[in-house]
Amino acid sequence: KNQVEQSPQSLIILEGKNCTLQCNYTVSPFSNLRWYKQDTGRGPVSLTIMTFSENTKSNGRYTATLDADTKQSSLHITASQLSDSASYICVVSAEYGNKLVFGAGTILRVKS
Amino acid sequence: DGGITQSPKYLFRKEGQNVTLSCEQNLNHDAMYWYRQDPGQGLRLIYYSQIVNDFQKGDIAEGYSVSREKKESFPLTVTSAQKNPTAFYLCASIDQITRTYRPGNTIYFGEGSWLTVV
Repeated sequence: KNQVEQSPQSLIILEGKNCTLQCNYTVSPFSNLRWYKQDTGRGPVSLTIMTFSENTKSNGRYTATLDADTKQSSLHITASQLSDSASYICVVSAEYGNKLVFGAGTILRVKS
Repeated sequence: DGGITQSPKYLFRKEGQNVTLSCEQNLNHDAMYWYRQDPGQGLRLIYYSQIVNDFQKGDIAEGYSVSREKKESFPLTVTSAQKNPTAFYLCASIDQITRTYRPGNTIYFGEGSWLTVV
């Protein structure tokens, strides 16, 4: 069964600190992996998208890594800001899949 | 500008009523999706459609129905059979589900609809 598991479920950090969110998947055959940021009650906003040949991709203070062998991805947030408080969702699509498989998300709260 | 539009933003349903959420896109996308999100939870797939006049059940299709009579429209009906419909509903679209390897396409999301049972 295609699954995407994210950890931790929730996280609280102080402003200015770094954090790393994890995404493990069992989707096969793999096509690409995306990270999204979702503010409460809004549609998700794309942060990064990676194919199996890409190990790392950055978007400002966000850096995503992908290990296609171990089927793991991480999202690293540097120098966190209060506006980073949101849910971060990992989405994996299969090469022959008809469905995008969403993780449950990690809820990040940045405190001042 | 191209995009995906959901309406209404807020909707209230009485017990036993059917309600329909609208999702329209002018991106010429083939595939459209409906997801449900409960507070503090992730997105769960209700239905998806890859082509006009065809759609498939997702993980939580019971109590919901859809239609895809036009490429740009994918309305979701929450029927009275859905016993716990209060949630946030998201519509999404993507231009094509690839069957051969190539870099992924952009997923477009609507702004979502809040449905509350009163």
